[in-house]
Amino acid sequence: GAVVSQHPSRVICKSGTSVKIECRSLDFQATTMFWYRQFPKKSLMLMATSNEGSKATYEQGVEKDKFLINHASLTLSTLTVTSAHPEDSSFYICSAPKKRHNEQFFGPGTRLTVL
Amino acid sequence: QQPVQSPQAVILREGEDAVINCSSSKALYSVHWYRQKHGEAPVFLMILLKGGEQKGHEKISASFNEKKQQSSLYLTASQLSYSGTYFCGTETVDRDDKIIFGKGTRLHILP
Repeated sequence: GAVVSQHPSRVICKSGTSVKIECRSLDFQATTMFWYRQFPKKSLMLMATSNEGSKATYEQGVEKDKFLINHASLTLSTLTVTSAHPEDSSFYICSAPKKRHNEQFFGPGTRLTVL
Repeated sequence: QQPVQSPQAVILREGEDAVINCSSSKALYSVHWYRQKHGEAPVFLMILLKGGEQKGHEKISASFNEKKQQSSLYLTASQLSYSGTYFCGTETVDRDDKIIFGKGTRLHILP
């Protein structure tokens, strides 16, 4: 199957700093990628759709200035959590669809802890 | 818009069967099923694209009732490795490529 990587897998930062998370599709091109957030024992909540060459589209209630998304190329999307606070601590997962049937391939996730 | 999954949790003994249901209030284009182990990313199980479609994956299969906007995941003769949280994800006929996930069904298999 297709492979999607995420980096870093784990990050601990101080409150007020910004953290960048990368999502790469390793063996296919993805014009669209998705960013999810997951709290412990909860579902995956879609945050935003990352579009190559254009602005990301955010789900209702997600602050676009807080969660900056850049889809720099057909294989890379980045999520930057700006001025992170402890309530931003979560498991962030990206996914990329292989276009034909929209099967989503998930990255391994990034666990963010804000102190 | 979030699909509704039931039950929320299931405890089975190894070898028993389980059914997990997923229903949507919107017309669906596709239904996706994933399994997630603790601390890991979800793993794709299968996608159902057409009403009436059924698919199998070893002893795990699923059906999609397009008219009722429902899908069911069937786990037969469950194995210990089946433990985890199962999520259904739905894409509506709008075809905006977004998949919205249900709250998940936690499955625990006892030896």
